[in-house]
Amino acid sequence: DGGITQSPKYLFRKEGQNVTLSCEQNLNHDAMYWYRQDPGQGLRLIYYSQIVNDFQKGDIAEGYSVSREKKESFPLTVTSAQKNPTAFYLCASSADGQGANGYTFGSGTRLTVV
Amino acid sequence: GEDVEQSLFLSVREGDSSVINCTYTDSSSTYLYWYKQEPGAGLQLLTYIFSNMDMKQDQRLTVLLNKKDKHLSLRIADTQTGDSAIYFCAEIDSWGKLQFGAGTQVVVTP
Repeated sequence: DGGITQSPKYLFRKEGQNVTLSCEQNLNHDAMYWYRQDPGQGLRLIYYSQIVNDFQKGDIAEGYSVSREKKESFPLTVTSAQKNPTAFYLCASSADGQGANGYTFGSGTRLTVV
Repeated sequence: GEDVEQSLFLSVREGDSSVINCTYTDSSSTYLYWYKQEPGAGLQLLTYIFSNMDMKQDQRLTVLLNKKDKHLSLRIADTQTGDSAIYFCAEIDSWGKLQFGAGTQVVVTP
């Protein structure tokens, strides 16, 4: 079955550490996205990539970094510069960013700073 | 501020109809979407409507679109306890990216 997989489901980070969240898709989608979700604030776009080896900042990119070396993979690194990283992170992909199918989402990673 | 607005909470009795409302700002949006999120999970696409349609029905779900007022609604008929979730309205912006509302928490009571 095609889908999008995020790992791990839960992640704990000490203050001052970088941590990388994994996102892999086997849908052959060109575009991939990272969102951050906080209670009552909906989803905010961190980074997105519309093609391999290219990515763009979203609305809240500060303190985050990404890479897109393979079509299937779009890892997100939460750096120590992100002052409030505790949140639920969602990865998504789409065939072309538009259309009836919208985005396909992973099941999310909950990051907690301890 | 957000370009897509939704009320934050809706309580409904089991068996009644739920109506979730949304307003958006980008009149060039070609598609508008409703997503459902259950606790601790990702978002699941429930339904969508193309911008040249006024209404779309899919089993218990009815989507109404008023382009003049930039108003979108989702009606769930015969609401069940399994419908308890957060519902997100989303539009495609002029850059081809999805813009989400803050989500409406729907609580279904017996």
